[in-house]
Amino acid sequence: ETGVTQTPRHLVMGMTNKKSLKCEQHLGHNAMYWYKQSAKKPLELMFVYSLEERVENNSVPSRFSPECPNSSHLFLHLHTLQPEDSALYLCASSLGQGSGNTIYFGEGSWLTVV
Amino acid sequence: AQSVTQLGSHVSVSEGALVLLRCNYSSSVPPYLFWYVQYPNQGLQLLLKYTTGATLVKGINGFEAEFKKSETSFHLTKPSAHMSDAAEYFCAVSGDYGGSQGNLIFGKGTKLSVKP
Repeated sequence: ETGVTQTPRHLVMGMTNKKSLKCEQHLGHNAMYWYKQSAKKPLELMFVYSLEERVENNSVPSRFSPECPNSSHLFLHLHTLQPEDSALYLCASSLGQGSGNTIYFGEGSWLTVV
Repeated sequence: AQSVTQLGSHVSVSEGALVLLRCNYSSSVPPYLFWYVQYPNQGLQLLLKYTTGATLVKGINGFEAEFKKSETSFHLTKPSAHMSDAAEYFCAVSGDYGGSQGNLIFGKGTKLSVKP
C-alpha cells in the first residue's frame, strides 16, 4: 500500500502518440517530483513542484511536459517520444522541499516507446 | 557537486549471513543520507535516513546504517539476511546545493541476492 498512486502502471506508446502519466498523493504533502529510472543510468530527477509551482526542470527535453493542477496531483504529458525514453517513471512527494525531508515514492509507471 | 558511489552492483549472501552494502558520498555541505529499497516491479521504499544526531541509524526490517564523516561513508547492514531481503538497494544524498533543496542524488543501486 502506498500513499502515492501512479496510473497507468504500464504504458506502450508509439513515437507519434500523445499520452499522459498520472500521479496522486494522499499524504498531505506539498512538493511533488518526477524521477526517471532506466537500466543504464541512476535514478534521475526530472521535475520538482513545490506548492504547485515548478521549481526544478532538470534539463529535460520538451517532449516531456509536467503539469501540477493542485498539491495532490501531478501529470507527465508525453508526446513524440523516442525509444530511449522507455523507462520506469517514478512519482514522489514530500512535506516541504527542505533537505532531509523524506521523499515518498509511488510504484512507478513502466513506459515502453515503440 | 554531490555524488554517491555504491560499491558492488550485485551482492550475494546466504540466508542468515551478514548483509553489508557499501555507500560512499561526496558533499560540500553537511549531508542528509538515505537508504531506499526497491522490490521487483515496485517503487522505492525508505529504509532509513540520517539527518543529524546519532550516527547509527536504525531502520525498518532490521536494517541499520552508520554515518562516518571521516570516511564519507554510510554503509547499510543487517545481521542476518532473510530471503525476503532480496531486492535492489539505493543510497542517496540530499543537501542544499544550487538552490535545489531537498532533491535526492542516488547511487546506481546494489542488487542483493539471498541464497537458501
